[in-house]
Formats: sequence, C-alpha cells, structure tokens
Amino acid sequence: DAGVIQSPRHEVTEMGQEVTLRCKPISGHNSLFWYRQTMMRGLELLIYFNNNVPIDDSGMPEDRFSAKMPNASFSTLKIQPSEPRDSAVYFCASTRVDQPQHFGDGTRLSIL
Amino acid sequence: AQSVAQPEDQVNVAEGNPLTVKCTYSVSGNPYLFWYVQYPNRGLQFLLKYITGDNLVKGSYGFEAEFNKSQTSFHLKKPSALVSDSALYFCAVRDGSQGNLIFGKGTKLSVKP
Repeated sequence: DAGVIQSPRHEVTEMGQEVTLRCKPISGHNSLFWYRQTMMRGLELLIYFNNNVPIDDSGMPEDRFSAKMPNASFSTLKIQPSEPRDSAVYFCASTRVDQPQHFGDGTRLSIL
Repeated sequence: AQSVAQPEDQVNVAEGNPLTVKCTYSVSGNPYLFWYVQYPNRGLQFLLKYITGDNLVKGSYGFEAEFNKSQTSFHLKKPSALVSDSALYFCAVRDGSQGNLIFGKGTKLSVKP
C-alpha cells in the first residue's frame, strides 16, 4: 500500500498568492482529515470528511481556508490569499472504521 | 469535552534504560486512546491503541502502554530505550464516533548513548 500521499512536499510562495495542497488517501479509507502543525500551537485539526462529506470544519482558521473532497481518492486544502502566519506543516490523514489514522508526510508551507 | 494532557515537554533517557512518556486523559464515556510517534520531516506513525480489554497494550517497535482507569492515565513505556527511539511522541483520544482524534501537545524523547 502506498500510504497517504501529499503534494507538494514543500511550498514557498509570496504573501497574497493562492496555495493548493493535495492529498490522496489510502484506498478503501472513507474518512479524511486535514491537520496543521506549528511550534506554537502544536497539531490542530482543521477539517475532516466522512464519505467525501465535510463533517466538522470548526478548526478552519478563517474564510481564506477552504477544503474539498470531490471523490474518495482526492482532497484539496486551499488558502487564498495566503499570509505569513499560515506558514506551517500541513498533514493529511485517512482512516476507516475501527482503524487508526494513517498520516501522510506533510506539506511544509512557507509564506514570505 | 475529550482531552489529553502530556505533562512533559521533553524526556531524557540513557540508552538501555527503561523509558516512560506520560499521558492523562479526560473523556465522557469509554476512552479510545492512541499513541503516535513522529520522526523529523515525517508524518505521525501509529504505535498502539487501547479500545477495551487488557490494560497493558503492546505495540510497534517494542513499545507498550498501560491503561489506568482510576488514574485516567495511558503512559507509554519501553523496557530498554534505543537511540533510534528519539522522536516526538503524541498521545491522542478519539472524539466521538466519527474517528477524529484529539492530540496532546507532544513529548520530545531524547535517548543518549
């Protein structure tokens, strides 16, 4: 199994630009999670989906952030416009019933 | 609300000595508890979980965890630490039935030769 695949692994862009992070969950998993990790705030849940439907987006910091899951094998997290305080490592994880979450290796985002 | 606490930011252990990384939890209902490990520039990796049954749970890489209901604790242990165990360790509790996890702030484990 290829595991959870995230792209890109690193992204450096200027303030104000649109950023799109991508995630391919493990085949057969029906829940998908987006997390953000920073030194100051630790690991934060941003949003999660069950069967492609957003269940809880209360962790999304503000309207500049949006996430979609158009099908069972793909999800995106978009930031528009990006700000320096969005710099963090963003993780995607997937799971299915009674299984632990499997994490991708993350996207390290730097907003200049 | 469900929560976990990891009281130590860092734990230092000599190679070959036993290690313990502490975690306490607060839940309504039965706790579903997890330990994950994160190596530099990598995602979190699942180590072990407690759902029900035996209070001593065995996991990957020789780690185990002891569930203690009276002390609301779920400490991670290993009898003999390796330098390669040096990493960031997260305790987590499952929130509700949907599967999302609530993570502690993490404990950095440093094992010196």
